[in-house]
Amino acid sequence: KQEVTQIPAALSVPEGENLVLNCSFTDSAIYNLQWFRQDPGKGLTSLLLIQSSQREQTSGRLNASLDKSSGRSTLYIAASQPGDSATYLCAVANFNKFYFGSGTKLNVKP
Amino acid sequence: SQTIHQWPATLVQPVGSPLSLECTVEGTSNPNLYWYRQAAGRGLQLLFYSVGIGQISSEVPQNLSASRPQDRQFILSSKKLLLSDSGFYLCAWSPITPELFFGEGSRLTVL
Repeated sequence: KQEVTQIPAALSVPEGENLVLNCSFTDSAIYNLQWFRQDPGKGLTSLLLIQSSQREQTSGRLNASLDKSSGRSTLYIAASQPGDSATYLCAVANFNKFYFGSGTKLNVKP
Repeated sequence: SQTIHQWPATLVQPVGSPLSLECTVEGTSNPNLYWYRQAAGRGLQLLFYSVGIGQISSEVPQNLSASRPQDRQFILSSKKLLLSDSGFYLCAWSPITPELFFGEGSRLTVL
């Protein structure tokens, strides 16, 4: 069964810092990998989707990479802002099923 | 564009009472539909998913059931709620190329 791990579980950084969130998965036979943001008490908002044939995707200050063979993905956030404070979750898709990590709770201090 | 609606947003129910959470998707046809539960401080647990009307796959044996009476409608139910059913319930949909889109969630508190 696919297992997804996110490290660190929590992260606190000063505003303006660049940071990296990690996601690892045990079964490399994935269809794609998706990064989400969740604000407290809210649903999940999709940030980036990386197809299994892709190495990275970029959206604004966010860059996500995928190394399928090693079972790893990273989400890079440039020039962090207090508004980036949220929980970030990654999910891997195996056909119709999606497997989630437990998330990284990010706090960006002004 | 596609949108997903989920209701009610908040629910407080006594132990032993029934439950019905509803989810509808607009702007697409034949989506894959999912129900997840998120316990406090924990990750998402897949409860049910459906690839078509009347087709329900259960991931975790529990006090809950799901139904898909129409193509874009997904319902989560219970006949008798337990304290352990409290949590944040999320409905999601995916097109044929797997990519998840979530509703706003329903907060259930069982007292």
